[in-house]
Amino acid sequence: EPEVTQTPSHQVTQMGQEVILRCVPISNHLYFYWYRQILGQKVEFLVSFYNNEISEKSEIFDDQFSVERPDGSNFTLKIRSTKLEDSAMYFCASSERGGVGEQYFGPGTRLTVT
Amino acid sequence: AQTVTQSQPEMSVQEAETVTLSCTYDTSESDYYLFWYKQPPSRQMILVIRQEAYKQQNATENRFSVNFQKAAKSFSLKISDSQLGDAAMYFCAYRTENYGGSQGNLIFGKGTKLSVKP
Repeated sequence: EPEVTQTPSHQVTQMGQEVILRCVPISNHLYFYWYRQILGQKVEFLVSFYNNEISEKSEIFDDQFSVERPDGSNFTLKIRSTKLEDSAMYFCASSERGGVGEQYFGPGTRLTVT
Repeated sequence: AQTVTQSQPEMSVQEAETVTLSCTYDTSESDYYLFWYKQPPSRQMILVIRQEAYKQQNATENRFSVNFQKAAKSFSLKISDSQLGDAAMYFCAYRTENYGGSQGNLIFGKGTKLSVKP
């Protein structure tokens, strides 16, 4: 069964460093999402992406964040200058049909900022 | 803005028994989707069940079923014949149904931690 994959599974970085989290969505999916879950808290929407551009973003998704689909398979989330409060689990999700399709989640990347 | 509330931070059930997890939501929309996701210790988010708001019939998936009360804005999850593998965090989530506009990002509740006792 097709699945969303994410790399790395765990990333440790120092405050102020740039990180890139990678996702490979399900191959025939066209809509992509990033969510964040700070430890012990609820999952929060960051951004959605369709047709090579951002469709929606939350208040969390400020200028420190960016997303990109550099090729036909990868979908990346970049944090330019990490802060301690960026430590969280980051989930990528993809959907075949945006507003009505189910979102399939990847296993997540645990980001630890020291 | 839509909100999702899960009022039970933790629940416990005996193996083979039935447990119900509560979820309420607030929205002014008439068309939307509701979901229950399971998050085991591995922290992977796994879709358990979904409900379309326009459907009156409650969704079921094997041992999992929902009680969807649209007027009351309530969406509870019933797990029958609980198994040890059901132990996890359970998140209720809401999504707008919008064919032409919003891509329908999910709005999650804070979750309920379910323990299953052998």
